[in-house]
This record gives sequence, structure tokens and C-alpha cells, in this order.
Amino acid sequence: DIQMTQSPSSLSASVGDRVTITCRASQSISSYLNWYQQKPGKAPKLLIYAASSLQSGVPSRFSGSGSGTDFTLTISSLQPEDFATYYCQQSYSTPVTFGQGTRLEIK
Amino acid sequence: QVQLQESGPGLLKPSETLSLTCTVSGGSMSSYFWNWIRQPPGKGLEWIGYIYFNGNTNYNPSLKSRVTMSVDTSQNQFSLRLSSVTAADTAVYYCARGYGPGFGHWGQGTLVTVSS
Repeated sequence: DIQMTQSPSSLSASVGDRVTITCRASQSISSYLNWYQQKPGKAPKLLIYAASSLQSGVPSRFSGSGSGTDFTLTISSLQPEDFATYYCQQSYSTPVTFGQGTRLEIK
Repeated sequence: QVQLQESGPGLLKPSETLSLTCTVSGGSMSSYFWNWIRQPPGKGLEWIGYIYFNGNTNYNPSLKSRVTMSVDTSQNQFSLRLSSVTAADTAVYYCARGYGPGFGHWGQGTLVTVSS
């Protein structure tokens, strides 16, 4: 299985901050990397697919980059509704695997 | 807009079989992968497997011996069966559409608790 490791596991930030979350794969996954946002009691929501493509309806303050083994999710200016848990996920090979999550909290 | 809705028992005893159904509305099941994903309380996401609209399946090896998925495109439904459940199978179970470019549509999730 391909292991996905996110860092940090948790992060405190303020409204308006620029935030970056990192995801590393245990082997190259090309650009088969997706990012999700999950709020308590809700299903995950797809933000970014194929490493850098913005899902329809997702605000442009979210962006993704990377290829191979190292990827980043950036939120350019945090909004109150962005405080949530974020997961990366690889779809390069089965079994599909997720990172352990990054909890983004209000400072 | 495609919507997915899970249904099934919320409480099981150890050794029983978990059976869930996902009903798809607002779109066709054709040419899509249909997935089951679970999340134990307070923990991360685990992919259980997918079934393609034509019935082809791909299961997570960690659960493969206990998992069966089926699809009924005439009813716009697909299903999950997980046998011999234990407390470790307690989780919120989600159905979701997609694969390569991510899981773009999810059900709201249903909590399944395994307890004697």
C-alpha cells in the first residue's frame, strides 16, 4: 500500500493567514493526488483533484501543487469557514489511501 | 445534482453481517465507480472498495475476505456487505462516487455501531 503522510497533524492560524499543508507519498504517485475538507459531522468535500485542479464551486483561495511524492495544499487567506480537517488521498493505485488528516484550528 | 443516501441498520452484534445500501438520485450510475469509505469515531478515512457500474469490483486487501459489493442500476442502488463484524468495524460508513479524479459526491454517512 502507498502510505500518505501529512504535516503538520494540527495547525493554529488566524483569519487572513496564508496556510500550507504538506502531503508526502511513500512512492511516486505522479499527480494522482486529491485534497478534501471535512467539518465535524459532515462528509468530506473534494477541494482539489489531480494535485492542482480546483473542483467546481471551490473558492479560488484554495490551491494545490506538487507531483511525484511531495504535494501541498495552500489556503491564501483563511476565512472563518475554512477551519476544519483536511485530508490528502492518492488514487494512483489501489488500495486508495488517505493521509491521517490535518486539523486547522482558530488561533 | 447527484445525491447519495446510505441506509441500513445502525447497531449490530459481534459476528453479524453489516449490510448497507446507497441510493443514487439525480443522475445515472453508468460509467462511474461507486465506493464505500468508512471513518471510525475521531479517526481518519479508510477506503473499503469500489464497484463499477458494470459490476466489476476492487476491494481493500485489508477487508477483502469479508467484503462483498453489489450494484443494481435499475434501482439506482449499490450495496455493501461486511461479514463477521467486530467492535473495530464501528464507524461512519460513507458511499461516494468517483475514483481517479477524487470522490466528488458523498452520502451524508451512517454510523454503524458493533456492540454486544
